[in-house]
Amino acid sequence: GAGVSQSPSNKVTEKGKDVELRCDPISGHTALYWYRQRLGQGLEFLIYFQGNSAPDKSGLPSDRFSAERTGESVSTLTIQRTQQEDSAVYLCASSVGGATDTQYFGPGTRLTVL
Amino acid sequence: QKEVEQNSGPLSVPEGAIASLNCTYSDRVSQSFFWYRQYSGKSPELIMSIYSNGDKEDGRFTAQLNKASQYVSLLIRDSQPSDSATYLCAVNVQAGTALIFGKGTTLSVSS
Repeated sequence: GAGVSQSPSNKVTEKGKDVELRCDPISGHTALYWYRQRLGQGLEFLIYFQGNSAPDKSGLPSDRFSAERTGESVSTLTIQRTQQEDSAVYLCASSVGGATDTQYFGPGTRLTVL
Repeated sequence: QKEVEQNSGPLSVPEGAIASLNCTYSDRVSQSFFWYRQYSGKSPELIMSIYSNGDKEDGRFTAQLNKASQYVSLLIRDSQPSDSATYLCAVNVQAGTALIFGKGTTLSVSS
């Protein structure tokens, strides 16, 4: 079917506001990942969901960041009280099984915090 | 701290030459290795994956893995201007954990 989709593609918000970013993985993919990529930088791991297991939240930079996933479907990344340093492209990826499988990336959400 | 290191570049090669991209990783027990290509403003796409020592070829691309030296490389033969992009090395330390990405090497192929 279709690839990984993310929405919105662009989000501009004011400092202190909360934002929600959405990811729709490829159908049938049990694993879902969120990454952050600041301008000119590499990918920074945020959180990893694998089936019904407890998510690996070890990459979340602060308690302002949280993510949920409904079963093996949509995931939402929430950033509360946004700060200017949160400005980045947020990438979602999914894979068939575990982390050794090929990850397919969505187009990303470009977040700008003014 | 598990790390994946790459030269940031830019690596500049003329059209038709071989481009060699290198990556080292810190965790000796790493199991799976991936090369992703990322065009400016786009999301990463998988080029090659490699799991065992030696070479793996796919068209103009060859991945090389040396676990003893903790080193993985990507060779691009007959480089084309369309190969100009940032190449990300990614390593999976153990099953059930997420990939660790390097910061990427920018390749520029001049015509």
